[in-house]
Amino acid sequence: TQLLEQSPQFLSIQEGENLTVYCNSSSVFSSLQWYRQEPGEGPVLLVTVVTGGEVKKLKRLTFQFGDARKDSSLHITAAQPGDTGLYLCAGGQTGANNLFFGTGTRLTVIP
Amino acid sequence: DSGVTQTPKHLITATGQRVTLRCSPRSGDLSVYWYQQSLDQGLQFLIQYYNGEERAKGNILERFSAQQFPDLHSELNLSSLELGDSALYFCASSRGGIAKNIQYFGAGTRLSVL
Repeated sequence: TQLLEQSPQFLSIQEGENLTVYCNSSSVFSSLQWYRQEPGEGPVLLVTVVTGGEVKKLKRLTFQFGDARKDSSLHITAAQPGDTGLYLCAGGQTGANNLFFGTGTRLTVIP
Repeated sequence: DSGVTQTPKHLITATGQRVTLRCSPRSGDLSVYWYQQSLDQGLQFLIQYYNGEERAKGNILERFSAQQFPDLHSELNLSSLELGDSALYFCASSRGGIAKNIQYFGAGTRLSVL
């Protein structure tokens, strides 16, 4: 059972454009994490959000946790080729020790 | 460098065989997680160990097993391999054993079953 659905699955944009990636679920999560994975490497944590409605910024990346803690979004401003990678959201639930990973969004930023 | 070491990086084997993947967690981390990633998709949680004991189980097949040793390194054993077992296998470690703890991932082992 896939608890977290990400959209779009693939995204190819020009350098300088803005984009938003969505992570949706019918389940409530106590925490939501975003990872970026580059070819040949493991995922690297970008951010963790834990409060409904929380917004966190990391340079050109803005992360938001939905008010009901069932969804999240990642917005990238003025995308750079270095942003290319697989973006994964992952949710933690109270009482569960493991993370539930989303389906992933493959982003390609064309110079 | 995440500090998590996985060996080997690549493994090619035949159907029906058995392989062992190894993971050394970051220094001081007590928890080890194993994940499977197929075709560049999201990660499927397999199993978690915390300080030598199994803590959580995900979609792990009966043909697969894992353990965590006293020195905290972990091994994932895959037996009676099938073509569909071809995937990237990641190990992650964290200080504690709950979901909100930050997980640090190794570079993965790419398994090809021919």
